[in-house]
Amino acid sequence: DAKTTQPNSMESNEEEPVHLPCNHSTISGTDYIHWYRQLPSQGPEYVIHGLTSNVNNRMASLAIAEDRKSSTLILHRATLRDAAVYYCILSVLGSNYKLTFGKGTLLTVNP
Amino acid sequence: GAVVSQHPSRVICKSGTSVKIECRSLDFQATTMFWYRQFPKQSLMLMATSNEGSKATYEQGVEKDKFLINHASLTLSTLTVTSAHPEDSSFYICSARDLRTSGGQETQYFGPGTRLLVL
Repeated sequence: DAKTTQPNSMESNEEEPVHLPCNHSTISGTDYIHWYRQLPSQGPEYVIHGLTSNVNNRMASLAIAEDRKSSTLILHRATLRDAAVYYCILSVLGSNYKLTFGKGTLLTVNP
Repeated sequence: GAVVSQHPSRVICKSGTSVKIECRSLDFQATTMFWYRQFPKQSLMLMATSNEGSKATYEQGVEKDKFLINHASLTLSTLTVTSAHPEDSSFYICSARDLRTSGGQETQYFGPGTRLLVL
């Protein structure tokens, strides 16, 4: 399985930006980078995905390194509702684009 | 849009009984649905891939005779835990792949999960 590496936990203050890093040094050219998040006792929620270019949507921005070996999920202004486990996942052609969840990053947002 | 529902949200059953969990995509069609299991303080583990009109594909180590999956339509997949035992107690989550996306950009939309407790 294509692997990603994320910090176990991060902390942020409300209203401040949050940068969640992800390393994926074994990524191949056709692998998409997906981010999902999971709030306690809920199913995961899609956040954003990208291939090479940076991406923006209403929830977040995704900054992808030029060599694609790392990416950063950016929450522009963290709210208490953003406290969740954030998963960075590679969508791999060879595995029929199945999602393999790692441990993710537990984001704590302080009021 | 892109809502996935699961029913029931919570179930308690006696050891040895069977439990059926439904997963529905409410506002989109999904040829492929996935079933995951999550134990407390752990990540999601993919159990099987469910394709409409064909047999499910199970991940290594998942007993296909114990976890029966049916995907009868483009909006409904069911997971039946047969002869449930306490060790099957877990949080079961389904997801549906949006038919309108493809090729690595496919987004999975997840249900809210079903918490199963086997006594």
